[in-house]
Amino acid sequence: LAKTTQPISMDSYEGQEVNITCSHNNIATNDYITWYQQFPSQGPRFIIQGYKTKVTNEVASLFIPADRKSSTLSLPRVSLSDTAVYYCLVGGGTGFQKLVFGTGTRLLVSP
Amino acid sequence: DAGVTQSPTHLIKTRGQHVTLRCSPISGHKSVSWYQQVLGQGPQFIFQYYEKEERGRGNFPDRFSARQFPNYSSELNVNALLLGDSALYLCASSLTGGVTEAFFGQGTRLTVV
Repeated sequence: LAKTTQPISMDSYEGQEVNITCSHNNIATNDYITWYQQFPSQGPRFIIQGYKTKVTNEVASLFIPADRKSSTLSLPRVSLSDTAVYYCLVGGGTGFQKLVFGTGTRLLVSP
Repeated sequence: DAGVTQSPTHLIKTRGQHVTLRCSPISGHKSVSWYQQVLGQGPQFIFQYYEKEERGRGNFPDRFSARQFPNYSSELNVNALLLGDSALYLCASSLTGGVTEAFFGQGTRLTVV
């Protein structure tokens, strides 16, 4: 399964745009890229998923370059409640879903 | 609609004991997966079940077992508990087992003393 590399932590301020980049050099042809958010003592929550180019939903955008060896999660105008750990995952191409979580990126949003 | 529900929310066990954790998936979801999350780390895959059959197993010892019932609920069993089994155990459900959005429960916090 493809290994992912993310920054350990990031700091931001309310109202700013936050971009978290994930490297996945060994991504397989049929793998998808998925991002989850996790608050302390809660289960992860699905944010967004994509295969290539750009995906946007009501909470985030996901940018995937043509070579798919990296991806960037973009959170527009973050608020204090966006303080959480963000996980980048690749996989799902085998047909059954074994989510492989790394250590994630701890995002701290300050006033 | 109720989300993924897990029980109990917390429990404390003694080394060597056995524990059973329970999970009810979202209505209509046929796939249930179990994850272990140790403090400070990301969740680690333990098992996936789909239509009552095991579809995947992570790198965990045979002390860990699971099953899925006809109503798609699931149990995770851990025998001969070790201190290192202390963790948050998460259950996730999805419509199918593939590249679909997984919905996680709040988890069961297991403390082994």
